[in-house]
Amino acid sequence: AQSVTQLGSHVSVSEGALVLLRCNYSSSVPPYLFWYVQYPNQGLQLLLKYTSAATLVKGINGFEAEFKKSETSFHLTKPSAHMSDAAEYFCAVSYAGGTSYGKLTFGQGTILTVHP
Amino acid sequence: DAGITQSPRHKVTETGTPVTLRCHQTENHRYMYWYRQDPGHGLRLIHYSYGVKDTDKGEVSDGYSVSRSKTEDFLLTLESATSSQTSVYFCAIRAGTEAFFGQGTRLTVV
Repeated sequence: AQSVTQLGSHVSVSEGALVLLRCNYSSSVPPYLFWYVQYPNQGLQLLLKYTSAATLVKGINGFEAEFKKSETSFHLTKPSAHMSDAAEYFCAVSYAGGTSYGKLTFGQGTILTVHP
Repeated sequence: DAGITQSPRHKVTETGTPVTLRCHQTENHRYMYWYRQDPGHGLRLIHYSYGVKDTDKGEVSDGYSVSRSKTEDFLLTLESATSSQTSVYFCAIRAGTEAFFGQGTRLTVV
């Protein structure tokens, strides 16, 4: 069984500060890992994904994440927060295999607030 | 938006009534999913489909059924709606290693 834990349901940063959103996973097989962003009253948009290639993954809007197998982590970072980054962020895990291919297990979500 | 349309976008219904939500896709993707989103729980998988007439249960399938009679449509039915099924429902398709989501349906059961 796979699971995802996001540490911190709310994170608050100042504009220009580092953004760090934490995600730890458990999976019995090599995982695929994803970060999604959700703006109010909208669907989910893919920020970035890890699918067993490079462990440092760059995504849209200046975000990146590093897959660390030894720590079972996939934390999301951005060097300098912008007001437009305020949203809810979800970490998710899946794996390729059989008819359950592509089933996603999500973390609880982290709401990012950016202060001027 | 990967050609995904959910309908209706908003619905208020009474306890005990049946409700059907529709997900329509225009790009012939094989895999389709229904999730529900609740505060503090993220998104949880209800049912999914890996082809026409091929469906399986997800994590929170009790009280829900699905049907897929053609590639482009995946229907989610609440047989007898309960207040605990008040939620935002998202349909998703899988393209390669990525999932693309619809805009969601906000369902309120009163």
